[in-house]
Amino acid sequence: NAGVTQTPKFQVLKTGQSMTLQCAQDMNHNSMYWYRQDPGMGLRLIYYSASEGTTDKGEVPNGYNVSRLNKREFSLRLESAAPSQTSVYFCASSETAAGSGVYNEQFFGPGTRLTVL
Amino acid sequence: GDSVTQMEGPVTLSEEAFLTINCTYTATGYPSLFWYVQYPGEGLQLLLKATKADDKGSNKGFEATYRKETTSFHLEKGSVQVSDSAVYFCALSAPQLTFGKGTKLSVIP
Repeated sequence: NAGVTQTPKFQVLKTGQSMTLQCAQDMNHNSMYWYRQDPGMGLRLIYYSASEGTTDKGEVPNGYNVSRLNKREFSLRLESAAPSQTSVYFCASSETAAGSGVYNEQFFGPGTRLTVL
Repeated sequence: GDSVTQMEGPVTLSEEAFLTINCTYTATGYPSLFWYVQYPGEGLQLLLKATKADDKGSNKGFEATYRKETTSFHLEKGSVQVSDSAVYFCALSAPQLTFGKGTKLSVIP
């Protein structure tokens, strides 16, 4: 049981290049999330997928796209990278408890450290 | 919208000192509350949680009580260790997670 896995761990891009960050979870969770972490800013939600086949914007979606490929996988794409997207990116998943009013914890991957030059 | 405010860091304590990290929140409805910990170079791990008013979450000697009347969820530990050095994040979920900015704790021998 690996939990949440992310690839790659590190990446350096030049301005304007594109790339896709991969995330997979093996906990059979319905919901998946992408965050970015910047110094002094905490974590900010980029996009999330409440269930397979759905995606929604979070707090900072500009410059990113996502794909919920299946229940296990949720990828984040940068079409034209900018230096402002230099950050650490975390994927997370959770088992939502629909209708119960109780929101379960999220499980996080180890992160991808992205530098855009 | 929902928000979380936690005390600014960094916090430096001597081993065996008492720890309090303050956290207050603003939310409509009845969120669940969490403390996450991030060790250097790693992702976030859930430390403890509380899902309703007056619940007390506890783990590894850390505790926090969900106080609806003061909209607070302060993290406490009676005797910190060097291994507790990390960044601590308070968060609420209703249902999306909203994080505080994090408090860096350094414990010195």
